[in-house]
Amino acid sequence: DAKTTQPNSMESNEEEPVHLPCNHSTISGTDYIHWYRQLPSQGPEYVIHGLTSNVNNRMASLAIAEDRKSSTLILHRATLRDAAVYYCIPPMNRDDKIIFGKGTRLHILP
Amino acid sequence: DAGVIQSPRHEVTEMGQEVTLRCKPISGHDYLFWYRQTMMRGLELLIYFNNNVPIDDSGMPEDRFSAKMPNASFSTLKIQPSEPRDSAVYFCASSLAPDLGGELFFGEGSRLTVL
Repeated sequence: DAKTTQPNSMESNEEEPVHLPCNHSTISGTDYIHWYRQLPSQGPEYVIHGLTSNVNNRMASLAIAEDRKSSTLILHRATLRDAAVYYCIPPMNRDDKIIFGKGTRLHILP
Repeated sequence: DAGVIQSPRHEVTEMGQEVTLRCKPISGHDYLFWYRQTMMRGLELLIYFNNNVPIDDSGMPEDRFSAKMPNASFSTLKIQPSEPRDSAVYFCASSLAPDLGGELFFGEGSRLTVL
């Protein structure tokens, strides 16, 4: 099965950048890389996605390795509201199923 | 658009009772997903529909669970009979073309407690 590998948890200080890594070594050439997050007591929400090039949006940046087997979600200036579980979605292999693993629990220290 | 709407937000019921959870996807979205979240098992995909047709129900725990999507604007997840181990938060999500990068939009969830 296609899988991702993420650290179970990470910690960062408020207003500092955070780099959340993900390995997805089974990714195929046509799979998008998706990231979601889940704030406490809320449903998951989309953060960002990309295919080959690095991507930026108002929430985060996504840096994709040249071989596409890993990616890094970058929060440029973490705030307390960014404390959440961040999910890197396994490659869908031309399927439509979005499967959530355990994700990385991000703690932000004031 | 109001987003994905789920009801009820909270339900407490007794073992053996029938439970029906409801979901209204975002208008125009042709994919609908049902997930279940518990502390022990995390976020599990139960079933998903494309154009109102169930595509993959391999995540449905057992025959007590059933899901329907009679039209593009409504879906139900039914548990009959319910058991305490079904206690969880159930999320519905909708999307356009997820395999092409389409994002999932989640509802606020239905928290089910079975006593």
